[in-house]
Amino acid sequence: EVQLVESGGALVHPGGSLRLSCAASGFTFSNYGMNWVRQAPGKGLEWVSYISSSSSAIYYADFVKGRFSISRDDAKNSLFLLLNSLRDEDTALYYCARDGLPYCSGDCYSSDWGQGTLVTVSS
Amino acid sequence: SYVLTQPPSVSVAPGKTARITCGGNNIGTKSVHWYQLRPGQAPVLVIYYDSDRPSGIPERFSGSSSGNTATLTISRVEAGDEADYYCQVWDSRSDHWVFGGGTKVTVL
Repeated sequence: EVQLVESGGALVHPGGSLRLSCAASGFTFSNYGMNWVRQAPGKGLEWVSYISSSSSAIYYADFVKGRFSISRDDAKNSLFLLLNSLRDEDTALYYCARDGLPYCSGDCYSSDWGQGTLVTVSS
Repeated sequence: SYVLTQPPSVSVAPGKTARITCGGNNIGTKSVHWYQLRPGQAPVLVIYYDSDRPSGIPERFSGSSSGNTATLTISRVEAGDEADYYCQVWDSRSDHWVFGGGTKVTVL
């Protein structure tokens, strides 16, 4: 069974940093691309970033503007998102999600999602 | 940037059919995927590649896409179908995922 468990969310002041993690199990992690998607309170789903298998392709939403960095450690079956220069509007539940097919390079869907980790940016 | 437009809400009586549209420029040339999001739960993929249904998703869920509109259809609607539904595509020009704004389905 595919499992994705996010962690690292917290209350942080504007301008602060956080590192989100996603622990994966139940599949060959290195073969799959992964996404981070967020949902702000009362808002819809918003794509944040994508990393392909082998990290050969990395993409970010425009609002990231160099503030976030996605990475993966295939030896530890883990996905990460480093959040820097956090703003109030980054407050959201952050989900990690797995590509539905192995070796996608972005043009894919997400078949499995974690429960999310909550990031709150407030002074 | 590519934009997907969904109606904010759709209301349907139990046993009837709900149709949720997702509008985008030439969306019929893209692969459209649909997700269900219930409060407090993780998103669930209900339709992928326009009309394919993952295992475990009832046959009552179906999808189509042509021209500038993709549609998620829920037949014989049940109370448990009440949720927010999002369409999603890959925009190859910007290398971005794009979500629609979401549609809240209310079962009357």
